[in-house]
Amino acid sequence: EVQLLESGGGYVQPGGSLRLSCAASGFTFSSYAMSWVRQAPGKGLEWVSAISDSGGGTYYADSVKGRFTISRDNSKNTLFLQMNSLRAEDTAVYYCARRSQYSSTWYTDYWGQGTLVTVSS
Amino acid sequence: QSVLTQPPSASGTPGQRVTISCSGSSSNIGTNTINWYQQLPGTAPKLLIYSNNQRPSGVPDRFSGSKSGTSASLAISGLQSEDEADYYCATWDDTQFGGGTKLTVL
Repeated sequence: EVQLLESGGGYVQPGGSLRLSCAASGFTFSSYAMSWVRQAPGKGLEWVSAISDSGGGTYYADSVKGRFTISRDNSKNTLFLQMNSLRAEDTAVYYCARRSQYSSTWYTDYWGQGTLVTVSS
Repeated sequence: QSVLTQPPSASGTPGQRVTISCSGSSSNIGTNTINWYQQLPGTAPKLLIYSNNQRPSGVPDRFSGSKSGTSASLAISGLQSEDEADYYCATWDDTQFGGGTKLTVL
């Protein structure tokens, strides 16, 4: 059974940093691209970042580019999101998600339960 | 502001067929496939439809997707109370999401 378990969320002041982790199990982690998607309270889904299966390719939404860094440790089946210079608008539930490919397109087939990040003074 | 436009709400009665639309442009839906996600209250999203009309194993065939030009639709037939949820369309390999549609089963 595929499981994605996020951790590291919490309360942080504007300008602060947090590092999210996502422990994956139930599949060959190193064979899958992964992503982070967030959802502000009462709002819709927003893609944040994605990383290739090897970690050699990383991609970011304009809203977080230069502040967030996605990475992975395939030896530990773990995905990370380093978040710096946090702003109030970064407050959201952050979901770790697995990406799969069909033909030449991608979709998100498994999602974690999410971890809440609150940025406030 | 989402680049994909969905109606904020939709509703139907049990057994009815409802459709949820997702409107975009030639630069997104027009040239990319659409995925659909269901988010039950208080839970994480779940994949419902991928690549316009492909249903993952385990998703009932009551759910179907289609795309034409710069618009896409999710159809739910035989509406059930447990279908009450938020539904999101997504494109550009899930880097662009619609604003979501809250489906109410009356």
